[in-house]
Amino acid sequence: EDQVTQSPEALRLQEGESSSLNCSYTVSGLRGLFWYRQDPGKGPEFLFTLYSAGEEKEKERLKATLTKKESFLHITAPKPEDSATYLCAVHRGKFQFGAGTQVVVTP
Amino acid sequence: SAVISQKPSRDICQRGTSLTIQCQVDSQVTMMFWYRQQPGQSLTLIATANQGSEATYESGFVIDKFPISRPNLTFSTLTVSNMSPEDSSIYLCSVEDRFRVAGGPGDEQFFGPGTRLTVL
Repeated sequence: EDQVTQSPEALRLQEGESSSLNCSYTVSGLRGLFWYRQDPGKGPEFLFTLYSAGEEKEKERLKATLTKKESFLHITAPKPEDSATYLCAVHRGKFQFGAGTQVVVTP
Repeated sequence: SAVISQKPSRDICQRGTSLTIQCQVDSQVTMMFWYRQQPGQSLTLIATANQGSEATYESGFVIDKFPISRPNLTFSTLTVSNMSPEDSSIYLCSVEDRFRVAGGPGDEQFFGPGTRLTVL
């Protein structure tokens, strides 16, 4: 059975304290791995798509990487506005989302 | 990316009633999707709605409970029928915007703001 597991469930960071979120998956025939950011009361906002092992994408303080079994979202020197829930999803004909990592960045 | 709006943004309904949620996109898209996000949980796909064909429902979701219309390439509705408190959730529509995202095959999905439904 396909599974998408995100860890940790929650992460509390000081401003400037870099960290990484993990998304591990057991999916065959992966068509892509996607990262989204979701703020409270809003729909998910698209961040990155990764298609093959070794691929990396960057956007401001965020960097996503992909291996054959997992993806990492690295947050470098986070700011309070980076506080959100970060979701990953795998695409194998349809999207399957992980449970998300809730990130809180304090000043 | 596509701009997606949903109506209503939120509603409070009585059990046994039905609510229709509208999803409007600012450009023509082939594939539209409806998701449910229960409190504190991640997103679960309800169905895929393609224009000109019946919606395809995921396991655990049936057409009688969640009828979907897709009359054209920019609009879809999801009805939550005979509601119970267990239907209290955020309902989200999304589109696959194959032709607007550079640098990849364009499988990305873009989401509307969601409809927050509370059933009493």
